[in-house]
Amino acid sequence: ILNVEQSPQSLHVQEGDSTNFTCSFPSSNFYALHWYRWETAKSPEALFVMTLNGDEKKKGRISATLNTKEGYSYLYIKGSQPEDSATYLCAFIRWGSQGNLIFGKGTKLSVKP
Amino acid sequence: DGGITQSPKYLFRKEGQNVTLSCEQNLNHDAMYWYRQDPGQGLRLIYYSQIVNDFQKGDIAEGYSVSREKKESFPLTVTSAQKNPTAFYLCASSIGGTGYTGELFFGEGSRLTVL
Repeated sequence: ILNVEQSPQSLHVQEGDSTNFTCSFPSSNFYALHWYRWETAKSPEALFVMTLNGDEKKKGRISATLNTKEGYSYLYIKGSQPEDSATYLCAFIRWGSQGNLIFGKGTKLSVKP
Repeated sequence: DGGITQSPKYLFRKEGQNVTLSCEQNLNHDAMYWYRQDPGQGLRLIYYSQIVNDFQKGDIAEGYSVSREKKESFPLTVTSAQKNPTAFYLCASSIGGTGYTGELFFGEGSRLTVL
């Protein structure tokens, strides 16, 4: 059974704080890693699709890094805003099983004004 | 507007009844997926289809069935054989067909409650 672990489970920060969380995944047979943001009462939306070791991607104040050799990815949010409050999901895809995304349980971020 | 439409949003079912959840997409995507979410758990894959008239079981396919007769439609039937069907169900699609998985586009979900 493949496990994708996300930590922390939840996080409460003040507006303006920078924060980061972790996604750990199996380091063998890596194909891709996805990050999604899921706001309450909305659909999950893709943030990043990462495929190469050492990848760094950025979208506004949010960025992500990828280390496939050790099996982890970090998501960073710079200067958190209340609208960043959401659950952040990562999903691991193994080579040879491209249709099967394995999701972590998510990190729930709450940003207090 | 392009997107994924799931219906119904809320559904109540008596034990022993089959129920079908609808998922339609107008994004011209090849691949479609069904996930289930339970409290405290990650999204778990029920079935996926990478091309019309073909689909594969995910990790928790028992008690579910699907069809993919049209590119834009991927209905999920929750049968009476599913022991614990009360859950939140998410449908998704992606551009990629076999051998490629791009980002997933999700619907808003269907919440099924078995009484």
